[in-house]
Amino acid sequence: AAGVIQSPRHLIKEKRETATLKCYPIPRHDTVYWYQQGPGQDPQFLISFYEKMQSDKGSIPDRFSAQQFSDYHSELNMSSLELGDSALYFCASSFIMEEGQYFGPGTRLTVT
Amino acid sequence: AQTVTQSQPEMSVQEAETVTLSCTYDTSENNYYLFWYKQPPSRQMILVIRQEAYKQQNATENRFSVNFQKAAKSFSLKISDSQLGDTAMYFCAFMNGESGGSNYKLTFGKGTLLTVNP
Repeated sequence: AAGVIQSPRHLIKEKRETATLKCYPIPRHDTVYWYQQGPGQDPQFLISFYEKMQSDKGSIPDRFSAQQFSDYHSELNMSSLELGDSALYFCASSFIMEEGQYFGPGTRLTVT
Repeated sequence: AQTVTQSQPEMSVQEAETVTLSCTYDTSENNYYLFWYKQPPSRQMILVIRQEAYKQQNATENRFSVNFQKAAKSFSLKISDSQLGDTAMYFCAFMNGESGGSNYKLTFGKGTLLTVNP
């Protein structure tokens, strides 16, 4: 079965640079969620989109922005990167919310 | 705001034995969903089992089952016949089911690191 695709899988950036993470949800899934997982931490909700509209917002810095496109893929844009942004970034998707969210493999971002 | 508490940072079990991971949560909502996710060393987040709050029957998925005690706000995971591949971090997660189209974010506990020993 098709899964959530995230690219790139690994990304190394320097401080103050910009990064773009991409997410391709499972076909038919209309909701996309972004989570950030720091080292030794649980995933923290950043932002979600339902039918291409932002549906909820969590602890996402103002330096980050995201959108969902007409083909339902989503991009997380991160600017003025800081060392503390180094983390594993997950995208998850769902169609029927009570079935739960299905996670992609994550993008490991390292800021040096 | 909802909170999820996993009081066991680490646990270990012998292969083929049974282990129970604890999770408690706090919410004022009546309609919600609970999940257990598994994160092996690959760091992939894998959905293990789900439970609807309005269902009294405990969910079961093969070797995995839950003990859902709504009044006590408790949601424990039982793994039977533990296998080496069950070694992973296990996260309990809460999702509010009240609103339409929003607030469906997952709130996670801090996780329990389970090691299955041969």
